[in-house]
Amino acid sequence: LAKTTQPISMDSYEGQEVNITCSHNNIATNDYITWYQQFPSQGPRFIIQGYKTKVTNEVASLFIPADRKSSTLSLPRVSLSDTAVYYCLVGLSYNTDKLIFGTGTRLQVFP
Amino acid sequence: DADVTQTPRNRITKTGKRIMLECSQTKGHDRMYWYRQDPGLGLQLIYYSFDVKDINKGEISDGYSVSRQAQAKFSLSLESAIPNQTALYFCATSDSGQGRETQYFGPGTRLLVL
Repeated sequence: LAKTTQPISMDSYEGQEVNITCSHNNIATNDYITWYQQFPSQGPRFIIQGYKTKVTNEVASLFIPADRKSSTLSLPRVSLSDTAVYYCLVGLSYNTDKLIFGTGTRLQVFP
Repeated sequence: DADVTQTPRNRITKTGKRIMLECSQTKGHDRMYWYRQDPGLGLQLIYYSFDVKDINKGEISDGYSVSRQAQAKFSLSLESAIPNQTALYFCATSDSGQGRETQYFGPGTRLLVL
């Protein structure tokens, strides 16, 4: 299994950049890396997905080093509304056993 | 995501009762999933279906059953509810194209078993 390891929690202040790192030492050649965001009592929401190097969208950036054994979700200039749990998943659609949501990283943004 | 709906949103039941949670999607996706989430924890996969004729057990299928009535509908049943099945239940869908797993989640059903 491509197990992932993330920090349990992080704190930040509004306007700061937040970087959440996920370790996935056993990532397979064809695996993609996907990040989800979850607010209390809501279903997770897709944020960003990548395979290698860097991916950027309107919400976040995803940095993946050459060895792909880790990845970093970067949230620029966070606001209070970014307070949520962030999950890192590694896997492929046809191997659902790998798509395990761990406990995620609980990000708390303070004013 | 409004494209994935779950009913009911909240449900209180008693131990031993049979209940059904329903999920419908208008995204046209072939894959559907049921997860449960306990307070402060991540999501655990109960069952998943890659198409109407394909049903698979997830990590924690004991005590649950599912039915894929159509591509757009996937129901989860608790045959005889017990208190430790009290949790938040999520349905999700995904598109099988290109091997990238991006799941779209419903709003959740909060279940309390007394």
